[in-house]
Amino acid sequence: GAVVSQHPSRVICKSGTSVKIECRSLDFQATTMFWYRQFPKQSLMLMATSNEGSKATYEQGVEKDKFLINHASLTLSTLTVTSAHPEDSSFYICSARTDSYRSSYEQYFGPGTRLTVT
Amino acid sequence: DAKTTQPTSMDCAEGRAANLPCNHSTISGNEYVYWYRQIHSQGPQYIIHGLKNNETNEMASLIITEDRKSSTLILPHATLRDTAVYYCIVRVGGGSYIPTFGRGTSLIVHP
Repeated sequence: GAVVSQHPSRVICKSGTSVKIECRSLDFQATTMFWYRQFPKQSLMLMATSNEGSKATYEQGVEKDKFLINHASLTLSTLTVTSAHPEDSSFYICSARTDSYRSSYEQYFGPGTRLTVT
Repeated sequence: DAKTTQPTSMDCAEGRAANLPCNHSTISGNEYVYWYRQIHSQGPQYIIHGLKNNETNEMASLIITEDRKSSTLILPHATLRDTAVYYCIVRVGGGSYIPTFGRGTSLIVHP
């Protein structure tokens, strides 16, 4: 199946700094990418949906100025957590969707990035 | 998308079949049943999906009832590596779908 990578897999940063997480579709073009956040023992919560070349659509309650999403190409989306605080510590997962009828619009997930803010 | 109901947790012995149920009584005719699983500290992994016929692949089998109001994911010979949270999702097949996850079933496979 299709592969989605994330980098870094783990990151520790100090409170007040910014962290960028990359999500890449390695062997397919992803017109649409999704970013999720997952707290311990909870399910994945959708943060935002991004389409290549356009602004991301954020879910209710997610601060767009704090979680900057850039989907600059069909294989790369980035999530930047600005001015990170300890409560932003979480597991961030991206997902890429093939927007092709022949690919049945399948969705593939990255391995996740563990962010710890100290 | 139709809501799904899954047991919070299940367990089974290694080597035995694991049968994970999912209720989706409000499913629409154009909605598929998808199963994903998430091993601890990893991203979700696609397992299988179906519309109304039973499906089988190298990972699992999916049994959908005739009225499509429920389904069962079967792992025929569970291993310790199958310990994970299993999510049953009902979704349309087209590109307008925005994927959301419920709480899933935590499956523990024990020796």
